[in-house]
Amino acid sequence: EPEVTQTPSHQVTQMGQEVILRCVPISNHLYFYWYRQILGQKVEFLVSFYNNEISEKSEIFDDQFSVERPDGSNFTLKIRSTKLEDSAMYFCASSPPRQPEAFFGQGTRLTVV
Amino acid sequence: AQKITQTQPGMFVQEKEAVTLDCTYDTSDPSYGLFWYKQPSSGEMIFLIYQGSYDQQNATEGRYSLNFQKARKSANLVISASQLGDSAMYFCAMRGFSGNQFYFGTGTSLTVIP
Repeated sequence: EPEVTQTPSHQVTQMGQEVILRCVPISNHLYFYWYRQILGQKVEFLVSFYNNEISEKSEIFDDQFSVERPDGSNFTLKIRSTKLEDSAMYFCASSPPRQPEAFFGQGTRLTVV
Repeated sequence: AQKITQTQPGMFVQEKEAVTLDCTYDTSDPSYGLFWYKQPSSGEMIFLIYQGSYDQQNATEGRYSLNFQKARKSANLVISASQLGDSAMYFCAMRGFSGNQFYFGTGTSLTVIP
């Protein structure tokens, strides 16, 4: 069964460094999302992406964040200068056309030290 | 504004029994979808079930059913015949059709006791 794939599964980075989290959404899906979940807290929306542009973003998604779909399959989240409070599980998700549900990847656990 | 409320931080159920996880919501969208996701200790988010606001019947998927009461703005998840593998965090979520994002509740931690 097709699934959303995220790499790496765990990333440790130093504060101030840039990180790129990678996702391969399910191939015929059209909507892509990034969410994050700080340990023990609720899942928070970061950004949605459709037709090669951002369709919606939250207050969390400030200038240090960016998303790209560099080719037909990958979808990336870049954090330019990481802060300690960026430590969280980051989930990529995608939705098929004309279907409401989103399918999530297994997450990337980002630890900023 | 959309809001999802899960008032049960933790629940316990005996194996093979049924359990209901509560979820209430608030939205100004006339059309919306309600979802339940399971998050085991390994961390991934697994889609379980979906209910559209205009669906006449309650959604069912195997042992999962969604008790949708639109007037009460509730969308409770019922798990029948609980199994040890059902122990996980369960999140209720909503998506309005005026936007793309999902709004999640704070989750309910379910523990199935042998």
